[in-house]
Amino acid sequence: EPEVTQTPSHQVTQMGQEVILRCVPISNHLYFYWYRQILGQKVEFLVSFYNNEISEKSEIFDDQFSVERPDGSNFTLKIRSTKLEDSAMYFCASSDDAGGYYGYTFGSGTRLTVV
Amino acid sequence: AQSVTQLGSHVSVSEGALVLLRCNYSSSVPPYLFWYVQYPNQGLQLLLKYTTGATLVKGINGFEAEFKKSETSFHLTKPSAHMSDAAEYFCAVSGGPIGGSYIPTFGRGTSLIVHP
Repeated sequence: EPEVTQTPSHQVTQMGQEVILRCVPISNHLYFYWYRQILGQKVEFLVSFYNNEISEKSEIFDDQFSVERPDGSNFTLKIRSTKLEDSAMYFCASSDDAGGYYGYTFGSGTRLTVV
Repeated sequence: AQSVTQLGSHVSVSEGALVLLRCNYSSSVPPYLFWYVQYPNQGLQLLLKYTTGATLVKGINGFEAEFKKSETSFHLTKPSAHMSDAAEYFCAVSGGPIGGSYIPTFGRGTSLIVHP
């Protein structure tokens, strides 16, 4: 069964450092998403991406965050200058329709720890 | 605007007992509703979904959920718990067939613990 692959599974970084979280969505999917889950809290939407541009973003997704699809297969989330409160599990997801009719396929997540 | 409330961050059942995980939603338009399951060290996996039509939907691993518009609920049930059902379960809502945001909004999750 097709999978969404995320790397690394764990990342520890120092406050103020830049991190890039990587995702390989399912190959024929057109819509891509990043979510995060701070320990014990809700899974929160960050950003959606379609046709090489951001289609929707939450207020969490401020100027410290950016997304890119550099080569037609990878989908990355960059945090420019990490803060302690960025520590969370980050999930990538993809879908082949915008309406969510078929649900989303999620990766297994990257646990980011900012120290 | 849409939101989801999952009652109980942890639910503990004995193997063979009924599983009931509660989800109430708020949506300004007819919603799509989802349950996802997350096993340890894995991603969220779609368990079942309601879009339109029959309000009782069946998913994988013997789970089912019923959309009750009057109660704004979408509770997840399984008649007999199995040890392998121990996982984190997430309810989610998105805009449905006549509008609203298609971006799913998730609840906090409910951890299902199954005792032998």
